[in-house]
Amino acid sequence: AQSVTQLDSQVPVFEEAPVELRCNYSSSVSVYLFWYVQYPNQGLQLLLKYLSGSTLVESINGFEAEFNKSQTSFHLRKPSVHISDTAEYFCAVKWSSNTGKLIFGQGTTLQVKP
Amino acid sequence: EAGVTQFPSHSVIEKGQTVTLRCDPISGHDNLYWYRRVMGKEIKFLLHFVKESKQDESGMPNNRFLAERTGGTYSTLKVQPAELEDSGVYFCASSQGGRSYGYTFGSGTRLTVV
Repeated sequence: AQSVTQLDSQVPVFEEAPVELRCNYSSSVSVYLFWYVQYPNQGLQLLLKYLSGSTLVESINGFEAEFNKSQTSFHLRKPSVHISDTAEYFCAVKWSSNTGKLIFGQGTTLQVKP
Repeated sequence: EAGVTQFPSHSVIEKGQTVTLRCDPISGHDNLYWYRRVMGKEIKFLLHFVKESKQDESGMPNNRFLAERTGGTYSTLKVQPAELEDSGVYFCASSQGGRSYGYTFGSGTRLTVV
């Protein structure tokens, strides 16, 4: 069965510390990978995506994620977080066998403390 | 360009009543998706329209849910009669199609059934 797992429901971290939010999925056969962010009282915003090519993808605000086919992972990292990064982060996968739907992980709440 | 618009943003109804949620996708986006997040759980796919046709409705929970997309523009999701377990946040997303997988999400409708 197709599934996406975000192992950590909450990740507390101090400002300027590095962070990694983990995402694993059930099968790496022809997948497209996404990270979305939801700030308080807002909708889902695309943070970054992997479709093909370089396995390391970056966002405009300093996040990066690496597609690891052998470990079926797409972990999100940032070397130094800011208070404004406090939000809920969702990993999502589109399998090529699906017409277009995304399968989401359970979400990880990143709490950045001063 | 205008984003994906959903309304109402919040709705509180009594068990047994009917509620209709609306989604206006980005103009020109043929693909429209509905998702739902029940409190504490992952965001789950409900259905996918391509223009006015239902491409995939495998995630619709039961026949109390009816989705329509008249003329391939906006979409409505009706819940009739609503039950307590229908409470959650309902997200709509749209995409242009092709292989860019540029899904844009709306801010969601928070439905509370009491």
